[in-house]
Amino acid sequence: DGGITQSPKYLFRKEGQNVTLSCEQNLNHDAMYWYRQDPGQGLRLIYYSQIVNDFQKGDIAEGYSVSREKKESFPLTVTSAQKNPTAFYLCATHGQGANYGYTFGSGTRLTVV
Amino acid sequence: GENVEQHPSTLSVQEGDSAVIKCTYSDSASNYFPWYKQELGKRPQLIIDIRSNVGEKKDQRIAVTLNKTAKHFSLHITETQPEDSAVYFCAATRRGDTGRRALTFGSGTRLQVQP
Repeated sequence: DGGITQSPKYLFRKEGQNVTLSCEQNLNHDAMYWYRQDPGQGLRLIYYSQIVNDFQKGDIAEGYSVSREKKESFPLTVTSAQKNPTAFYLCATHGQGANYGYTFGSGTRLTVV
Repeated sequence: GENVEQHPSTLSVQEGDSAVIKCTYSDSASNYFPWYKQELGKRPQLIIDIRSNVGEKKDQRIAVTLNKTAKHFSLHITETQPEDSAVYFCAATRRGDTGRRALTFGSGTRLQVQP
């Protein structure tokens, strides 16, 4: 996964259930991001963190929560308040200087059943 | 905040032809513009990027141009091949700013190269 690992690859959620998506990186990057991708659409920013113990809401944060207790980890919880959670979720990180382009994880496909 | 518009949404070309995808952005302070290629069911992969102090950048068959005055940038693929078929996304951000530095993405262009 090029230094950034997402799990699980597929996740099924029942109505009213909270689920947590994992994102781990070993690239020693400060910044981490969560995006949501719906079929045929672009990537929309859910939450981002530019340093440990700090995170900011993105454009579609309602119904989601995150934590950043360790530099390597940025888990995303999809709560029952998110009414339409079925989507492809991508975690990303980037370095500094010449390596500013994002590196994405392989994604988690979440389906409500 | 930043808004990125991308056109066309779909593009079909014959193998060997050129393909051009265009994006416009709204935030004049944006200074970093990457392009990503996403194959079906896979993660986006960075293919080329450009910073605001450069007008054009080339990497083999791929080039990106930037017009800061008009606030638009374009991806050019020459001598297209079937393996170029994918969805392409443009993006923009203020690199190095102390504020929000997250990428804002365009809605994507599905490129199909016909053999």
